[in-house]
Amino acid sequence: GNSVTQMEGPVTLSEEAFLTINCTYTATGYPSLFWYVQYPGEGLQLLLKATKADDKGSNKGFEATYRKETTSFHLEKGSVQVSDSAVYFCALSTNDMRFGAGTRLTVKP
Amino acid sequence: DARVTQTPRHKVTEMGQEVTMRCQPILGHNTVFWYRQTMMQGLELLAYFRNRAPLDDSGMPKDRFSAEMPDATLATLKIQPSEPRDSAVYFCASGPGQDRNQPQHFGDGTRLSIL
Repeated sequence: GNSVTQMEGPVTLSEEAFLTINCTYTATGYPSLFWYVQYPGEGLQLLLKATKADDKGSNKGFEATYRKETTSFHLEKGSVQVSDSAVYFCALSTNDMRFGAGTRLTVKP
Repeated sequence: DARVTQTPRHKVTEMGQEVTMRCQPILGHNTVFWYRQTMMQGLELLAYFRNRAPLDDSGMPKDRFSAEMPDATLATLKIQPSEPRDSAVYFCASGPGQDRNQPQHFGDGTRLSIL
């Protein structure tokens, strides 16, 4: 079946550090891929998406590239801020949506 | 911005009591999802509906949980009787149908504590 595996957290970084959160997937067919972010006390919000191989999704300085050859969709940001502290979920969608377990990011000043 | 609205935001009650959680999906969205989030299990899909018909409720404990859509603007999730292990945050999400390229839109959740 379809599934998503993302790196376990928590991840703690200093402000302005480089961020990578790994995500790999297993799917039949051609899924769309998403990153969601969840801030404390809130629901998940779409951060970015990519709908076909080699597409790059980007938003708020975050980006991820749909890599079909490695079945990956790693999230990156060049310089994190304290306000980026949140839980990040990778997800794929074919006939239904599957979420990864989430990775908690804490950015310290 | 259109939003998914969930009520109540917080609920504390004693075990054995009935709990009803409500969700108003985004107008025009015909797919509604119920999720449960806990520290131990993460995000679990409980049930989902398309055009108000239940398509999958295999993630839901059938003996005590029930989910319905009385109309297109309201989805409900009921627990009767509630147990302490039901304590979690329950999220509703809606989406615009079968287009896999479209994301789900989440409400802010109902934080449920069963004493």
